[in-house]
Amino acid sequence: DAMVIQNPRYQVTQFGKPVTLSCSQTLNHNVMYWYQQKSSQAPKLLFHYYDKDFNNEADTPDNFQSRRPNTSFCFLDIRSPGLGDAAMYLCATSPLEGLLGNQPQHFGDGTRLSIL
Amino acid sequence: EDQVTQSPEALRLQEGESSSLNCSYTVSGLRGLFWYRQDPGKGPEFLFTLYSAGEEKEKERLKATLTKKESFLHITAPKPEDSATYLCAVHSRSEKLVFGKGTKLTVNP
Repeated sequence: DAMVIQNPRYQVTQFGKPVTLSCSQTLNHNVMYWYQQKSSQAPKLLFHYYDKDFNNEADTPDNFQSRRPNTSFCFLDIRSPGLGDAAMYLCATSPLEGLLGNQPQHFGDGTRLSIL
Repeated sequence: EDQVTQSPEALRLQEGESSSLNCSYTVSGLRGLFWYRQDPGKGPEFLFTLYSAGEEKEKERLKATLTKKESFLHITAPKPEDSATYLCAVHSRSEKLVFGKGTKLTVNP
C-alpha cells in the first residue's frame, strides 16, 4: 500500500539538543507538509515543499528547519528544542492539486517528541 | 484570517444513538472543506471533501453536508469503533489547510 511513513514514532531529546524527524512517502506526491499538533489542539502548518520549492509559514519559529533531498524524503530539524516544542509532528503529502484545495492531504502517523 | 470552529468539543453516545458534529467556518473563498478522523496516537485519516454548498458525501455510517457557513458530519447508528476525534479543515485562497480543534467522539457499547 502506498503510504506516508514517519520515523521514529517516539523521540525523546534533551532541552537544547538538536533533533531530526524523518518522513518518507511512496505516493510520489509533489508536495510534502510538516504540521505541529499539541494535545487537544488543531494541527498547525509549519512549512511545505512543492518539489524543491520551500515555503515557510510566517509564524514558524526560526528554530525549525526542513530539508527535502528527493521526492520521497523530507526531514524536520529542530535546532535547539525548548519545552514548548514538545508535541506530535505530522508529515503529510499531496499532489499539486492539494495546494489548490482540490485533493486531500495524506498523513503519516506522526512522531511524538518529548523534551527532557 | 480563515477560522474553523468545531462543536461540541466532546460527545458521548450510546451505540446506535445517531447524532451530528458541527464545523463552522469563515474563509476568504472556500476551495474545499475536508473531514478527517484521528485515532489516539495516529495521524488524521481522510474521510470526505466537500466543495460547494448543498453537496453531500456518504461513507458507511457517516454523511457529510455543506452550507455556505458550516458543515455537519452526521453519524447514523454509531458503533464503538467509530470512537475517534473528527477533524474539520478548510482550504481557501491562502493555499493552506486550516484545521479546527476537533470533536472527540466516544461511543459506548
